[in-house]
Amino acid sequence: EAGVTQSPTHLIKTRGQQATLRCSPISGHTSVYWYQQALGLGLQFLLWYDEGEERNRGNFPPRFSGRQFPNYSSELNVNALELEDSALYLCASSGLETGGKTEAFFGQGTRLTVV
Amino acid sequence: GENVEQHPSTLSVQEGDSAVIKCTYSDSASNYFPWYKQELGKRPQLIIDIRSNVGEKKDQRIAVTLNKTAKHFSLHITETQPEDSAVYFCAARLRDTGRRALTFGSGTRLQVQP
Repeated sequence: EAGVTQSPTHLIKTRGQQATLRCSPISGHTSVYWYQQALGLGLQFLLWYDEGEERNRGNFPPRFSGRQFPNYSSELNVNALELEDSALYLCASSGLETGGKTEAFFGQGTRLTVV
Repeated sequence: GENVEQHPSTLSVQEGDSAVIKCTYSDSASNYFPWYKQELGKRPQLIIDIRSNVGEKKDQRIAVTLNKTAKHFSLHITETQPEDSAVYFCAARLRDTGRRALTFGSGTRLQVQP
């Protein structure tokens, strides 16, 4: 069974441009989470989608947006890129609660570099 | 919404010593608390979890304890080894935003010195 996949693996953009990151969840998972990880440490919560709708949003400006498609894949868009947006963007997916657990499986991430 | 705080942000121990990472959460209705390990250059992966109806859970050298009254939970690693060096994240599941939402702590970088 394929895990969570993200594309592209690396992305280099110029300040002011837009970036689009993509995530395909594990088959059967309806929830997709996006996190920003800067400096290789903290996971800053960006967005949570479940069954096509945005369920929760972290403390990020509106230029960070996304959507979830009918097949539950998701897209993260970052407009008007700034240098400090350079980070690893991780996507995770989870499915229905099983035995009281909700395990989240992470993708390998997209390394976004803004120059 | 839920808020999860994790301490310390960095932790250095000698090989063979124990390591303890602590997290507190704000939503008293949270009922599921997983821990993830992220090795250098890799994605975070689940290593152990605990539900709110259990006070402690062990799996070989790692254990997690939960204090519902105080709203904190901890990860304990005994007999640490160099391969335990990684970033560890705690998480809590919110009740009011659905059964599948997880909020993560800010992470702890554990360095085990050989």
